[in-house]
Formats: sequence, C-alpha cells, structure tokens
Amino acid sequence: AQSVTQPDIHITVSEGASLELRCNYSYGATPYLFWYVQSPGQGLQLLLKYFSGDTLVQGIKGFEAEFKRSQSSFNLRKPSVHWSDAAEYFCAVGPRFSGGYNKLIFGAGTRLAVHP
Amino acid sequence: DAMVIQNPRYQVTQFGKPVTLSCSQTLNHNVMYWYQQKSSQAPKLLFHYYDKDFNNEADTPDNFQSRRPNTSFCFLDIRSPGLGDAAMYLCATSSVQGVRGTEAFFGQGTRLTVV
Repeated sequence: AQSVTQPDIHITVSEGASLELRCNYSYGATPYLFWYVQSPGQGLQLLLKYFSGDTLVQGIKGFEAEFKRSQSSFNLRKPSVHWSDAAEYFCAVGPRFSGGYNKLIFGAGTRLAVHP
Repeated sequence: DAMVIQNPRYQVTQFGKPVTLSCSQTLNHNVMYWYQQKSSQAPKLLFHYYDKDFNNEADTPDNFQSRRPNTSFCFLDIRSPGLGDAAMYLCATSSVQGVRGTEAFFGQGTRLTVV
C-alpha cells in the first residue's frame, strides 16, 4: 500500500537550533516528493520538491531536504530555526508516471513548536 | 498575483442543508483537486478534474459532488452535510506538462462548520 510516515507528531526546538523532520514513504516506484507547511487556519504552502537530479534540494525559508532512495526517506532540515517557523509540516508523495496528476498522499504531519 | 482563491474562508451550514464551496484559479492549470482535512489530520484527496474529466476517489462518499464549469472555477457540493463533514476543504491546482506535472498549488482553504 502507498503511504507516507512522519514518525514525529510533535517536535519542540529552541530558536536558533537546528531542525530535522523525518519522512519515510512506501510506494511502488520513486514518486515525486514534497514538503508543505501549514500555519493554523491556512492552506498549504510548498517548501520544496524533488522531481529528479540532485538529491539535496533547496527550498524557501532556508529549508532543505535530502532524498535517499535506499532508505525511502525525504527528511527536511533547517540549520537555524526561527520563531516564525512554528507550524505544521506535511511530507507528501505524488505519482511520477500518471500523466502528471498530483494526487498527493500526505503524511500525518509534524507540528513544530519553537521556544524563544 | 496568480493564485488559487477559495470562497468563503469560513462557512457555517445546518445539518442536512446543501452547501457549495467555491474555488477559482488564475494559473490556467488544467488539473484541479479537492482535499478534505479534518482537525489534526492529513489532507485527503476527494476528487480531481483533469480538464473536464472528473475523477472520483474510491472512498469519497456519494454526498460529495463537484462541478467544473470552466478552466478557472471548480465547486464542491455537499448534498446533505453531516457533523462528520466538518473540516477544512482545500482546493489545489496543477499543470500537466507531457508526462510530468508541476507541484500542486493550494488555496487558503474553507473551514466548514456543521451545526
């Protein structure tokens, strides 16, 4: 079955500390990979995506993610967290060879809290 | 700016009273999606339109319908809302380019409350 696992439901870090949010997926073939961020009561904003090429991808707001095929993982990282990064983060996968449809499968999300 | 706009942002409806949520886009994307996100859960795809072709997910209840009168607009109709349909409804769009697609662009969502 196709699924996305985000093992950490809640994470709390201090402002200025580094961050890593984990994401593992189960899929028939290598999918497209995404990280989205959602602030309370808001829609989803794309942080970054992996389609092909360099397995370390840079995104907005200083985030990066590394695709590891052997581990079926796509972990999100940020070297120094800001208080404004407090939000919910969703990892998602989408089919690569379905005519471009973006039928995303989301993980359950990781809620990030940032201590001042 | 090109974007995906959902109206209204907040909708309160009565149990069993039909309700329609609206989504419009200025991106000229050919695929539009509706996701349901219940409190503290991941978004779940309900259906999508590829141009005018409607594609329903297998587990989407019959209570949910959708219309896409043109490229720019897509509507979500809930025929008889139940308390369990209270959720955030997210509209998204993407563009098909050959065998690849762009990422999905999401609207701000409509928070539906059923009373």
